[in-house]
Amino acid sequence: AQSVTQLGSHVSVSEGALVLLRCNYSSSVPPYLFWYVQYPNQGLQLLLKYTSAATLVKGINGFEAEFKKSETSFHLTKPSAHMSDAAEYFCAVTSGSWGKLQFGAGTQVVVTP
Amino acid sequence: NAGVTQTPKFQVLKTGQSMTLQCAQDMNHNSMYWYRQDPGMGLRLIYYSASEGTTDKGEVPNGYNVSRLNKREFSLRLESAAPSQTSVYFCASSETSPTGELFFGEGSRLTVL
Repeated sequence: AQSVTQLGSHVSVSEGALVLLRCNYSSSVPPYLFWYVQYPNQGLQLLLKYTSAATLVKGINGFEAEFKKSETSFHLTKPSAHMSDAAEYFCAVTSGSWGKLQFGAGTQVVVTP
Repeated sequence: NAGVTQTPKFQVLKTGQSMTLQCAQDMNHNSMYWYRQDPGMGLRLIYYSASEGTTDKGEVPNGYNVSRLNKREFSLRLESAAPSQTSVYFCASSETSPTGELFFGEGSRLTVL
């Protein structure tokens, strides 16, 4: 069984401030982990993914995430928020079954000037 | 590039009515999926299709049927709509790989009265 918990359904950050979105997972086997972003009225698009090659993963738009097995975490960060980062972010996990991702509940990010 | 195309984008049904959501992808992907998105619950897998001619149940299949018409098209049918099926529905496709990126359509917003 696998599951994902995203801490905080809403996060507000100031433009230029650090963005930190928390994701903890549960998996009985080594997981593959993903972060997806959803802009208003659009489908989801992949930000980055962990596939066991490297624990620090860099994605698009300046985002990165670090896989920490001891903490069962895969937190998403961006050093400096931009107004265009306002969106909903989803963490997802799969334990090897292709494509059958288990998504977290999502975190809505609001960026204030 | 069209990617994943869903129709219709919006639909209002009365309880007991039926309808079919259509999905087509032009990326030559083997795998296709239907998810539903509800506030605070992330995305939940309804049905998926590993390849043309095969379909399997996901996490929340009750009340739905699917057809993998060919490699490009994967439809979702509600035979007798219920208010609990009010949701945003997303079709996605991917390569058949545990680390394959899911490509999503823009979603179909369904309201059942």
